[in-house]
Amino acid sequence: QKEVEQNSGPLSVPEGAIASLNCTYSDRGSQSFFWYRQYSGKSPELIMSIYSNGDKEDGRFTAQLNKASQYVSLLIRDSQPSDSATYLCAVNSGGYQKVTFGTGTKLQVIP
Amino acid sequence: NAGVTQTPKFRILKIGQSMTLQCTQDMNHNYMYWYRQDPGMGLKLIYYSVGAGITDKGEVPNGYNVSRSTTEDFPLRLELAAPSQTSVYFCASSYPPGGGGANVLTFGAGSRLTVL
Repeated sequence: QKEVEQNSGPLSVPEGAIASLNCTYSDRGSQSFFWYRQYSGKSPELIMSIYSNGDKEDGRFTAQLNKASQYVSLLIRDSQPSDSATYLCAVNSGGYQKVTFGTGTKLQVIP
Repeated sequence: NAGVTQTPKFRILKIGQSMTLQCTQDMNHNYMYWYRQDPGMGLKLIYYSVGAGITDKGEVPNGYNVSRSTTEDFPLRLELAAPSQTSVYFCASSYPPGGGGANVLTFGAGSRLTVL
């Protein structure tokens, strides 16, 4: 079982719709969870971090964490063409200092 | 404020050659990381360091070596380059847990390496 799993996509949504990105992880001891956005040819940049069960909202982005189900998700409301990118889920695993990434989900927002 | 600086940005190596990818951060971060990203894939951890003089292996350490003599610098050494090491390499740094922004990674711009 991979430590962090994501659907590779592509996930296509129309402009203005809600995009829902999902991630599961295997290490029950994980404490820190992140969503990074990566445009083609660029380095990843942090979108959201979440450390406690529940929802965390920042503008159009909402991160959801369920540690019992080992599941973390990212919702993007009012999706824009500029949101088209690969979204990487990251989790600290195997010890607090290691950060492990999923393979990423490619999001395409259709104008 | 430069953040995380990687050099070189691009490099072509012949099979069997060696080289060092340089990484420097000016944020006084304790933790530093090297990842590789193959086309269409996520990031795989090569090595990481929690402070000067302390390094540890990640998921894919074979064929690489690191050192951490200062807080700022974390070079990645490739010995006997192979085509399988063709990839984009990212260096990153972070604060340790216990404070705000724990484990939040700041990435360099990446180094694209091709081994022919």
